[in-house]
Amino acid sequence: DTAVSQTPKYLVTQMGNDKSIKCEQNLGHDTMYWYKQDSKKFLKIMFSYNNKELIINETVPNRFSPKSPDKAHLNLHINSLELGDSAVYFCASSLTRRHFDIQYFGAGTRLSVL
Amino acid sequence: GESVGLHLPTLSVQEGDNSIINCAYSNSASDYFIWYKQESGKGPQFIIDIRSNMDKRQGQRVTVLLNKTVKHLSLQIAATQPGDSAVYFCAENIRGSQGNLIFGKGTKLSVKP
Repeated sequence: DTAVSQTPKYLVTQMGNDKSIKCEQNLGHDTMYWYKQDSKKFLKIMFSYNNKELIINETVPNRFSPKSPDKAHLNLHINSLELGDSAVYFCASSLTRRHFDIQYFGAGTRLSVL
Repeated sequence: GESVGLHLPTLSVQEGDNSIINCAYSNSASDYFIWYKQESGKGPQFIIDIRSNMDKRQGQRVTVLLNKTVKHLSLQIAATQPGDSAVYFCAENIRGSQGNLIFGKGTKLSVKP
């Protein structure tokens, strides 16, 4: 069973479109994250939710809106997609928001904006 | 692992040799450090972690060394195997932050059979 699963694995779309990426974890964790990995493999945190509550919101355009319907799910909706949004997006989860809790990552969603 | 131009720094080792991957961190308030392994097409996978009150921690075939004086972290892999080929990231967590991991630039490890 996959612990942190993301769908879709690949997403190809046109500029200006709106798209969503879904993430689910079956680890019973309280905290979930979204990261962006650019073409140079640089990984940067975007958002973090703890028990459906937003706790980290890095400098990310308003076009990106996370939604957590329950603590096992954290979806990422992106409006008006731009070329620069092309990247691999990773979802992760940790047991709690505690500083030393290990974060477990999904396999990623490769977004290509044409 | 300092970035060189647009390319990831690469470490090439012979199968069976030991590998050492280095990482410099910048924030003296960081008190928790993690190494992740990322294979092609997959997400980062936790390898080992260390808290700032330690300078060495060992796992199975891996050892992490922390030198707070020079803000340096290293990952040593013993008897490197082809399955160890991947990109390795160090990440730091600043004291008082809540899971806001700051990742380094990554080092690509290639293992020659």
